[in-house]
Amino acid sequence: GAGVSQSPSNKVTEKGKDVELRCDPISGHTALYWYRQSLGQGLEFLIYFQGNSAPDKSGLPSDRFSAERTGGSVSTLTIQRTQQEDSAVYLCASSIEGTSGRFEQFFGPGTRLTVL
Amino acid sequence: GDSVTQMEGPVTLSEEAFLTINCTYTATGYPSLFWYVQYPGEGLQLLLKATKADDKGSNKGFEATYRKETTSFHLEKGSVQVSDSAVYFCALKENTGFQKLVFGTGTRLLVSP
Repeated sequence: GAGVSQSPSNKVTEKGKDVELRCDPISGHTALYWYRQSLGQGLEFLIYFQGNSAPDKSGLPSDRFSAERTGGSVSTLTIQRTQQEDSAVYLCASSIEGTSGRFEQFFGPGTRLTVL
Repeated sequence: GDSVTQMEGPVTLSEEAFLTINCTYTATGYPSLFWYVQYPGEGLQLLLKATKADDKGSNKGFEATYRKETTSFHLEKGSVQVSDSAVYFCALKENTGFQKLVFGTGTRLLVSP
């Protein structure tokens, strides 16, 4: 498909477990973003990757959150020792590039994470 | 820091009614402003945008005008359809290099036939 894809679409886990969320950006897009959509909180920026540059991690809420992007394409967001407040929809977006700010971000359908 | 405030929902309208969803912002610079829409079961989509003061963004019958004097970017549509039922997010982004999108909390619109 031509759009951003994410997997799984839904994830239910127990408190204290680790989870991995995957994002496949649009082919050729060098910029990739993770956001979190919590109930009543809107969307919060988490992390941004641009090509081979060091990622901007300024939005990660704690050191339990990490993300990597392999080969400049697929990205994985990892949450260690999940807590109930981590329950949210995690959205991934990509754009042609991010440094100029001129290009639209295209969003995936999200992964709904529920921590019991 | 930058922030976006939009009216709480849900907004419930009958088909063909006039829609306004209010959005105001706080920013240190001169941001670009956006409206995104999230239809049920789908990803967030860009609906319209405006990059400088007095610009009007428009798409699919929706319009919003960038008002610097009132720091607002209200979304309007003259005649809504059932298919417009969705969650609408107002957002801003500073225009210097990489800047994250800053979103409002979203407004759910429900249009009944």
